[in-house]
Amino acid sequence: KQEVTQIPAALSVPEGENLVLNCSFTDSAIYNLQWFRQDPGKGLTSLLLIQSSQREQTSGRLNASLDKSSGRSTLYIAASQPGDSATYLCAASLGSARQLTFGSGTQLTVLP
Amino acid sequence: NAGVTQTPKFRILKIGQSMTLQCTQDMNHNYMYWYRQDPGMGLKLIYYSVGAGITDKGEVPNGYNVSRSTTEDFPLRLELAAPSQTSVYFCASSYPLAGGNTYNEQFFGPGTRLTVL
Repeated sequence: KQEVTQIPAALSVPEGENLVLNCSFTDSAIYNLQWFRQDPGKGLTSLLLIQSSQREQTSGRLNASLDKSSGRSTLYIAASQPGDSATYLCAASLGSARQLTFGSGTQLTVLP
Repeated sequence: NAGVTQTPKFRILKIGQSMTLQCTQDMNHNYMYWYRQDPGMGLKLIYYSVGAGITDKGEVPNGYNVSRSTTEDFPLRLELAAPSQTSVYFCASSYPLAGGNTYNEQFFGPGTRLTVL
């Protein structure tokens, strides 16, 4: 059974800092790994998807990496802004329907 | 192109009542999923479907039923609601790409917030 863990559970940083969110998974036979953003009381916004054959993906100030052999992914946020405050979820895709197994999320607060 | 839509947005049920959560996608996706999210937690898979007429259980299927009679619709049925089913329910859809190392991105609906009292 796939298990996904995110550390830390909560993170508070001053504006402008670069930061890294961590995600680990137990079954390396994944199809892809997705990072989502969730604002309080809202749905999920897809940020980045890394295919199993890729090492990283970039979108603006976000960079996600994938190391299947070690079962790890990281989300790097450059020059953080208060608007980045949200919960960040990672999810690993596995199974006949590529179903997602989610971590519990990292709650990020960027202080002005 | 509305993507994945869910109704209702909010619902309060009494213990023992039943209801159906509706999910529709207009992207012609083969795969559809139902997840639930409890407070402070990630999402857990309830049921999924790889096409019309085909459904399968996920991690937490007890207390729920699904059907998939069309490509577009994937309703989730709650029978005999219990307080443990208080949660936010998300529907998602995706499609397999043809050829090579297939992958999929899942697209999520806005969620249904359900409270069982």
